[in-house]
Amino acid sequence: RKEVEQDPGPFNVPEGATVAFNCTYSNSASQSFFWYRQDCRKEPKLLMSVYSSGNEDGRFTAQLNRASQYISLLIRDSKLSDSATYLCVVSTSGTYKYIFGTGTRLKVLA
Amino acid sequence: NAGVMQNPRHLVRRRGQEARLRCSPVKGHSHVYWYRQLPEEGLKFMVYLQKENIIDESGMPKERFSAEFPKEGPSILRIQQVVRGDSAAYFCASSPGLINSPLHFGNGTRLTVT
Repeated sequence: RKEVEQDPGPFNVPEGATVAFNCTYSNSASQSFFWYRQDCRKEPKLLMSVYSSGNEDGRFTAQLNRASQYISLLIRDSKLSDSATYLCVVSTSGTYKYIFGTGTRLKVLA
Repeated sequence: NAGVMQNPRHLVRRRGQEARLRCSPVKGHSHVYWYRQLPEEGLKFMVYLQKENIIDESGMPKERFSAEFPKEGPSILRIQQVVRGDSAAYFCASSPGLINSPLHFGNGTRLTVT
């Protein structure tokens, strides 16, 4: 089983739609969680950290479920510019190792 | 505040040559990570370094690849005797080493082996 798993997609959604991605992790000692976005052939960029109580940044909401070991990303009112690959990243306490999921591809259609 | 700086952006090498990839972390960051990304694939961890020390190189091939992060100067990822399979994007990231701190990525070096 992979340490961090994501549905590769693609998720094709119309502009204005709401879309959600999940990411599961296998190590219960995982402590830090992040969502990054990566545009084609460019570097990953931090979208948001994921906090235990859940957090929101504009149209983006991140949730953490420790009991079921998954994190989620919800995007409301999708824009064409949201088209990208979304990477789930998990870090385990004491190792300083950041494990990346393979990413979920989102295409927002006009 | 400059972010993570990588150079060169593009590097072309013939089979058998050496490739040197450089990475200057965010000022004040003492932790550097190298990742490799093949076309249409995810990021694969290669090596994690702190100043003058390799902490975890479990993702780096044991032959031909080496990394360093000297006391002064950038981190260097060196690939000796390159082969076509080494063609990929190599990303460097840095962090201050604090719990819950995210990684900051450079623009990457795209290596093409001909």
